[in-house]
Amino acid sequence: QKEVEQDPGPLSVPEGAIVSLNCTYSNSAFQYFMWYRQYSRKGPELLMYTYSSGNKEDGRFTAQVDKSSKYISLFIRDSQPSDSATYLCAMKDAGGTSYGKLTFGQGTILTVHP
Amino acid sequence: DAGVTQSPTHLIKTRGQQVTLRCSPKSGHDTVSWYQQALGQGPQFIFQYYEEEERQRGNFPDRFSGHQFPNYSSELNVNALLLGDSALYLCASSLGDRGTSPLHFGNGTRLTVT
Repeated sequence: QKEVEQDPGPLSVPEGAIVSLNCTYSNSAFQYFMWYRQYSRKGPELLMYTYSSGNKEDGRFTAQVDKSSKYISLFIRDSQPSDSATYLCAMKDAGGTSYGKLTFGQGTILTVHP
Repeated sequence: DAGVTQSPTHLIKTRGQQVTLRCSPKSGHDTVSWYQQALGQGPQFIFQYYEEEERQRGNFPDRFSGHQFPNYSSELNVNALLLGDSALYLCASSLGDRGTSPLHFGNGTRLTVT
């Protein structure tokens, strides 16, 4: 079983829809949770960075973390064709020897069509 | 403000050869991590360098080695290349070695082994 599970999709939605992307994880030591967006032939771009449980909002993006369920989500409101990309969830623990190692999900391919 | 830069962008090598990939971190960052991303998969952690030392290593054989220079730039070396080493190699930089600073990625080097 992978430490981080993410449905690869693909997910196709009409412009203006609300998109929900999710990841589950098994390692209870994870404390930092991130969402990255990756366009084709580019590196991952950091979208959201959260610590522990709760919600965080940034413009059209909302990240939710539920540590009790080991479940994180990213919501995209008013989705645009420019949001079409692969979305990667990533996590890391806060242990003294963990340094900066991120554990990623497989990525979800999202297409927003006009 | 320059982001993470990687060179070369593409590389084709033959099985058994050796390759060196290069990375310059984002301005102000002092920590460099390397990741391998196979097609359709999330990035996998190779190792992290801080203060010119390897601080943490993922599940990669010792054919993969690295170096960090006093100016914080870094190299990834892969010896005795295998077909399975074909992937996108991503460099990420951050501030400090405690893992609390978010990682910023470059656009990667796409390595093809024939």
